[in-house]
Amino acid sequence: AQSVTQLGSHVSVSEGALVLLRCNYSSSVPPYLFWYVQYPNQGLQLLLKYTSAATLVKGINGFEAEFKKSETSFHLTKPSAHMSDAAEYFCAVNGGSNYKLTFGKGTLLTVNP
Amino acid sequence: GAGVSQSPSNKVTEKGKDVELRCDPISGHTALYWYRQSLGQGLEFLIYFQGNSAPDKSGLPSDRFSAERTGGSVSTLTIQRTQQEDSAVYLCASSDPWGQETQYFGPGTRLLVL
Repeated sequence: AQSVTQLGSHVSVSEGALVLLRCNYSSSVPPYLFWYVQYPNQGLQLLLKYTSAATLVKGINGFEAEFKKSETSFHLTKPSAHMSDAAEYFCAVNGGSNYKLTFGKGTLLTVNP
Repeated sequence: GAGVSQSPSNKVTEKGKDVELRCDPISGHTALYWYRQSLGQGLEFLIYFQGNSAPDKSGLPSDRFSAERTGGSVSTLTIQRTQQEDSAVYLCASSDPWGQETQYFGPGTRLLVL
């Protein structure tokens, strides 16, 4: 069984500030972990993924995430927020043989000018 | 290259009608997934196809929901006798044989049942 918890359904930051979106997971097998972004009225776009290689993963648009097994966490960060980062972010895990994804509830990121 | 495409992008139907939603995966991708995104339930897995294997239907919420994948490519999700609680965004994703853990999503079909 697997699950994902995203702490904070809504995060608001100022433009230029650090972005930190939290994700904790539970998986009975070594997990693959993902962050997806969803802009209004669009599908999910892959930001980055962890697949058991380097624990610090760099993605698109300046985002990165660090896999911490001891904390069962995969938090998403970006040093400096941009207005275009405003969107909903989903953390997801899969660890089963059919690779189906289990998603967190999502975090809506608002960037204030 | 072309991504996952879905049609229609929006669908409004009356309660009790049947609807068909279509997904065209990325060329060469052998795995195809359907998910549902709704306000109350978030993102939920519905069904998974892999090549010629029997599909994993474990996420289908009721027997009114069915899906098929013809020729290992295009997939159709059918909802019979639609109910208002079926209103949601239906997302399709596909993955390639060498990176099955990574799914690429289409834009979704927004279904509204009146």
